[in-house]
Amino acid sequence: EAGVAQSPRYKIIEKRQSVAFWCNPISGHATLYWYQQILGQGPKLLIQFQNNGVVDDSQLPKDRFSAERLKGVDSTLKIQPAKLEDSAVYLCASTSDRGVYGYTFGSGTRLTVV
Amino acid sequence: ILNVEQSPQSLHVQEGDSTNFTCSFPSSNFYALHWYRWETAKSPEALFVMTLNGDEKKKGRISATLNTKEGYSYLYIKGSQPEDSATYLCAPYGGATNKLIFGTGTLLAVQP
Repeated sequence: EAGVAQSPRYKIIEKRQSVAFWCNPISGHATLYWYQQILGQGPKLLIQFQNNGVVDDSQLPKDRFSAERLKGVDSTLKIQPAKLEDSAVYLCASTSDRGVYGYTFGSGTRLTVV
Repeated sequence: ILNVEQSPQSLHVQEGDSTNFTCSFPSSNFYALHWYRWETAKSPEALFVMTLNGDEKKKGRISATLNTKEGYSYLYIKGSQPEDSATYLCAPYGGATNKLIFGTGTLLAVQP
């Protein structure tokens, strides 16, 4: 089966600019996650979707980050405006169940804010 | 928020050396423990999922053990090869959170 697709792979922007990331999960996977991995830290969950509804966005900085999953398939994560500390790898993952037995990850988008 | 600790943070070894890493996590509300290998510019790849106290899993030269009562897991690599160079992440799945909480990872570099 095709894996989780993410784009772009790399992005460099200036602070205060906007950026958007796209994720296409494995077909049929109802649950989709966005993680942020800052250098030297473990991946941190930003938002979890179940179909097109938000299950957990408690760690999403809502003043600048937004995410949507229209039609319960693809998802986009947006940052507006970006700050230097947003430089990180943004990982998308999906699972067909609660995720107890594992997630399937995309290869991530590496964002550099200068 | 679960506190998941991994040690060491980084490790440099020579080809052929054996190595091991530690993952410690709160033992309450435990459901499963995941290990992932994450190579640069690639997707994190699932290595093991363990659920039972005393579980041991093996995949080639890599093996893992689990102690759910004291809240730790060890990952062993026998005879490290350069292709083993990656970040190794552990992530417990807790019944209270219904999601994976990742540790900070161990960065392994194997020199030929």
